[in-house]
Order: sequence, then C-alpha cells, then structure tokens
Amino acid sequence: QVQLVQSGAEVKKPGASVKVSCKASGYTFTSYYMHWVRQAPGQGLEWMGIINPSGGSTSYAQKFQGRVTMTRDTSTSTVYMELSSLRSEDTAVYYCARGPGVVVVAATGWFDPWGQGTLVTVSS
Amino acid sequence: DIQMTQSPSTLSASVGDRVTITCRASQSISSWLAWYQQKPGKAPKLLIYKASSLESGVPSRFSGSGSGTEFTLTISSLQPDDFATYYCQQYNSPWTFGQGTKVEIK
Repeated sequence: QVQLVQSGAEVKKPGASVKVSCKASGYTFTSYYMHWVRQAPGQGLEWMGIINPSGGSTSYAQKFQGRVTMTRDTSTSTVYMELSSLRSEDTAVYYCARGPGVVVVAATGWFDPWGQGTLVTVSS
Repeated sequence: DIQMTQSPSTLSASVGDRVTITCRASQSISSWLAWYQQKPGKAPKLLIYKASSLESGVPSRFSGSGSGTEFTLTISSLQPDDFATYYCQQYNSPWTFGQGTKVEIK
C-alpha cells in the first residue's frame, strides 16, 4: 500500500536549520508530486511547497521563499524539506503529502496520502 | 492567493444528527475542492475530492456538493468516530486550506 514515513521529532535552537525526511513506498516515486504542509500547535494547515521527484523542480509558498529547500533522492525514494533561520513561530508538525501524477497540468490535485507528521520544536 | 473560509468554526452535535459544514472561496475554483478529516495527533485524511467525489473506503454518510465559490460537506447521520476537525482545500496553486471546523460532542 502507498505509505509515507517521516523522520522523528526534532528540537532546534533559534537560528538553526532543520531537515525532515519523507520516505515513500508502494508506488513509483518519480511519478507523483510531493507537497509539504505544516500545522502550528492548535492551528490550521499551511502549504509550504511542492517538489517534482522526477526532475527535482520545486515551487515554494511566498512566505517561505529563501528559507525552505526541498530535495529528493530517487535512489531511496525519499524527499527532504530543510527550513533555515528557525524562529519560535516555526514550531509545528510538518507533513509530507502526495499530490497528483507528474503528468497532471500545474499539479492540480488533492493530497493523498499524508505522512504521519514530524514535530519540530524551536526553543532556546 | 485564493482565501478559503469555513463556517462554523466549531459545531456541537449529537450522534445521529445531520451535520453541514460550509466552505467559501474568495474566487471561483470550479470543482477543485477537497475535504479532509483530522483527529487529534493524526495526519489529515482525504474524504472528498472534486467537490463531490467520495474517496474509496470513506463511509457513504459523507457527501460533498457545490461549485464555483460555495461548497458544503454533509454528514447524514453523525457517528462517534466522526468527532474531529474538518478542512476544505482548494487545489490550484498555490494550495490553500480553510481554517477548519471542529465537530464536538453536544
């Protein structure tokens, strides 16, 4: 079955960077877009960006431009999300979520499935 | 960016009740809308896509309707497992979510 398994919880100091991984299984990794979404404690869902695992192209939400980098490793079917210059407001659960097939125009499509989430805590 | 507004923010209901959640888009999104259910400490789960298509394995008491700027999620007979938070999402880039509707026990 399609499954996304994320790396474990992280605690970081302000100003540091964090890199979260998301390992995909049960489907052809390079055939589907992957998104990253975050959720601050008690808050809603916030889209961060998307990566095409086939060619590695990315698109980021304006809010995170310059601070987020999404990459992939096709040999291990893993995508990564690195967020730099962390501040307390970045404390959140970070999710990867599979998008539509890479043949879909403009990646228009819903998210399914989602990884289990990775809690990133930013605290001095 | 397209803004998604859900109402109500919180809904108190009893088992067996018919429940309706509304989602409004700041501009037309055709039928490019999905609904998700999220339980505490868990990832969101897809319920509905293309505004009214039921995801495989989701109980038929869930239904979605609407197009353009106004959409609804209906639970025909609320079950104990349905107490959760529900999010709408428009899935044209950049993707955006509603703020969520918490369905709690009355």
